[in-house]
Amino acid sequence: EIVMTQSPATLSVSPGQRATLSCRASQSVSINLAWYQQKPGQAPRLLIYGASTRAPGIPARFSGSGSGTEFTLTINSLQSADFAVYYCQQYETERTFGQGTKVEIK
Amino acid sequence: QVQLVQSGAEVKKPGSSVKVSCKASGGTFGDYAISWVRQAPGQGLEWMGRIIPFIGLPTHAQKFQGRVMISADKSTRTAYMELSSLRSEDTAVYYCARNSTAFISWGQGTLVTVSS
Repeated sequence: EIVMTQSPATLSVSPGQRATLSCRASQSVSINLAWYQQKPGQAPRLLIYGASTRAPGIPARFSGSGSGTEFTLTINSLQSADFAVYYCQQYETERTFGQGTKVEIK
Repeated sequence: QVQLVQSGAEVKKPGSSVKVSCKASGGTFGDYAISWVRQAPGQGLEWMGRIIPFIGLPTHAQKFQGRVMISADKSTRTAYMELSSLRSEDTAVYYCARNSTAFISWGQGTLVTVSS
């Protein structure tokens, strides 16, 4: 099983600032990597797939990068709606998720 | 655009089974996979398995092998996830999600509570 490790577990950011989230795979997943946002009581929402392609309707302040084993989700100019938990997921082999990064208001 | 609507909350006894449904409306059904993902209270997301209704053969995550059965009925546009030998640790919200690669859209979730 491919293990996905996210860091940090919690990220405290002021509104308007940038958040940088990391995701590492235990073996190469090429660019078969997605990012999701989840708010309390809601299902996850797809943000990024193919490591860097925004899903339809996702604002340009969300961007993804990386390939192989190292990936980054960057959220520019954080807005109140962006404070949530973010998960990475690989779909190279079966499907596995990281444990999540909570982005909270500083 | 496909929307996924799941069955309602369930309360089950340890050792019993639960079957959750996921009905698709709109768009096409059959050529995309339907995956099942669960989330225990306060925890992260855990993939359980998937099925491509057009093909009909499920894939189950190794952790759940022998305890989960994923199926689909093309005539009713409904996917199912049945989990057996329930224990307290299976208390979670269970989601279905439509995917080709990434999970494009999700059901609203079904809370399954396992309690004696």
